[in-house]
Parts: sequence; C-alpha cells; structure tokens
Amino acid sequence: DAKTTQPTSMDCAEGRAANLPCNHSTISGNEYVYWYRQIHSQGPQYIIHGLKNNETNEMASLIITEDRKSSTLILPHATLRDTAVYYCIVRVWAGTASKLTFGTGTRLQVTL
Amino acid sequence: NAGVTQTPKFRILKIGQSMTLQCTQDMNHNYMYWYRQDPGMGLKLIYYSVGAGITDKGEVPNGYNVSRSTTEDFPLRLELAAPSQTSVYFCASSTKQVLGNIQYFGAGTRLSVL
Repeated sequence: DAKTTQPTSMDCAEGRAANLPCNHSTISGNEYVYWYRQIHSQGPQYIIHGLKNNETNEMASLIITEDRKSSTLILPHATLRDTAVYYCIVRVWAGTASKLTFGTGTRLQVTL
Repeated sequence: NAGVTQTPKFRILKIGQSMTLQCTQDMNHNYMYWYRQDPGMGLKLIYYSVGAGITDKGEVPNGYNVSRSTTEDFPLRLELAAPSQTSVYFCASSTKQVLGNIQYFGAGTRLSVL
C-alpha cells in the first residue's frame, strides 16, 4: 500500500471549514483513499473514501487531485465534536481481507 | 444498534497472567480484525479473520492467539501477559463492498500489565 504523509496537527475555528491535506505521491491506479477519524481514544470511525473522483457525504467532502498524488478532506462547518485525530489511508484490496494501515494522523483541534 | 461490542472496557493484569478479550458483532460481517494502539501511535493489526474457522496473522501477532468459531465472535487471547502488551485493543469488522471494505470498530479495551 502507498505511504501517506499528513501534518501532525491543525487548528480550526468552530463554524469554519477544516481542510485536512494528505500526500500519497506513490499511489497506484487501483488504490483508494480512505479517511477515518478517532475521537478521544474511541474506536476509529469511517468518514469517506474515493478513487479519483471527488466525493461528498453527510460528514465530509473528499477532493483528490487529478494526478491522485494528494487529497484533501473537508469538514465544511467544523464543530467542537470534530476535534479528533484524522487518518488518511491508501490501500488496495489485498488477498482475502483488507488490512488498513493507520499512521499517526493529523490531530485536528476545533476551537471557539 | 449494537455494532461491534468489546468486553471488558478496562483490565489490569499481573505479569504472567492470561486473559481473553471478547469481541462480538451483530452485523453478520465475514471479516473481523484485532488491532492494538500504543499511546500516541497509530493502530497495528494483530490478527484478522475472513470467516468462521479462518484466521491469519497481522503485523504484530506474537504473544496473542485468536479463534473464530462463529461469524459473530472473535476473541483475542493473551497468554503470559507482559508489560509490552499494555495498550488499547480495538476489534473491528467489515464486509466486502463493491469499492472495497469499510471497517467498523468497537469502543476498545484498555489493558495494563503491571
């Protein structure tokens, strides 16, 4: 699976958009970009994923660059409850089970 | 909506003791996983299972054992607990979807070995 690089931490004011970047310059054509988050040592929570098109759901939007070497997770109106560690994961469907590789992620702090 | 349930939530063990961390899911998922998370670090895969009776090692399996006798349950066994096994343990489950699979996690078991 491709390696990802994320900033260690970011701050965002409540009500503003939080834009979390992720670099995955070695991504291959059949690898997807997944985002999870982990709130205060709870179990990780799936947010969104995509292959090459931009994606949006009720939680967030995912913007993937045309060359697919980087992506941005957008939380359109961040709230205090969005304070968490956000993980960007790139992976293929490998063998008979998918193994997510979690790095150290980006710690997002949403402030008043 | 139970999802993935882990028990216990907290446990303190003495060195050399053994215990079983329980994990059960009610979503009829074929795939189940055990991860550990050390302070300030990401998750590391210990073992996983693609169905009842089938298990395989992840990246850090030493000191652990698993079994999968039913679709719902995937217990993790620690034999001869060591301080290095102090960690938070997460169980997860998933089902194959058209675009890959999405894992659902339990709330975790916080284990201290003293």
